[in-house]
Amino acid sequence: DIQMTQSPSTLSASVGDRVTITCRASQSISSWLAWYQQKPGKAPNLLIYKASTLESGVPSRFSGSGSGTEFTLTISSLQPDDFATYYCQQYSSYRTFGQGTKVEIK
Amino acid sequence: QVQLQESGPGLVKPSGTLSLTCAVSGGSISSSNWWAWVRQPPGKGLEWIGEIHHTGSINYNPSLKSRLTISVDNSKNQFSLRLSSVTAADTALYYCARERVEMATMTAYDIWGQGTMVTVSS
Repeated sequence: DIQMTQSPSTLSASVGDRVTITCRASQSISSWLAWYQQKPGKAPNLLIYKASTLESGVPSRFSGSGSGTEFTLTISSLQPDDFATYYCQQYSSYRTFGQGTKVEIK
Repeated sequence: QVQLQESGPGLVKPSGTLSLTCAVSGGSISSSNWWAWVRQPPGKGLEWIGEIHHTGSINYNPSLKSRLTISVDNSKNQFSLRLSSVTAADTALYYCARERVEMATMTAYDIWGQGTMVTVSS
């Protein structure tokens, strides 16, 4: 099974900050990685797929990079609506989610 | 646009079978896309359960495979989940989702249902 490890688990930041979340795979997954945002009481929302492709309708302040085993999600300038939990997910072999990163207000 | 709606009992007894259905509206289940189940225990992260294609191809989470059945009903435009021998550890918010396929390539889960809470308790 492919394990996905996100860091940090919690991140405290202010509006306007540049934020980076890291996701590591236990083996190479090429670029088969997606990022989701989840707010309390809501279903996850797809932000990025294939490591760096922005889903339609998602603000351009979100970007993704990486390949192989190491990936990052970057929010270039954190907005009030961005305080949420973020998950990575691999879809190279079956599907596995990371444990999540909660972005909190500093 | 495509919408997903989960339905099923909110309470299941220990050792019983959890059964949920996901109705697909606004589009056909018999498309190139895959259809998935994901769950989230209270206060915890997301766990992939499995997914199915309208042709009957299925992928199961290996850790749940022995208890799990996912099926599709093309005539009703819906797919279903059955999880047997449930325990309190199966208590979770269960989501159905669509895995979009573009030009024969998987993308990710782009459409989700609102989720349905299932509690395992006597």
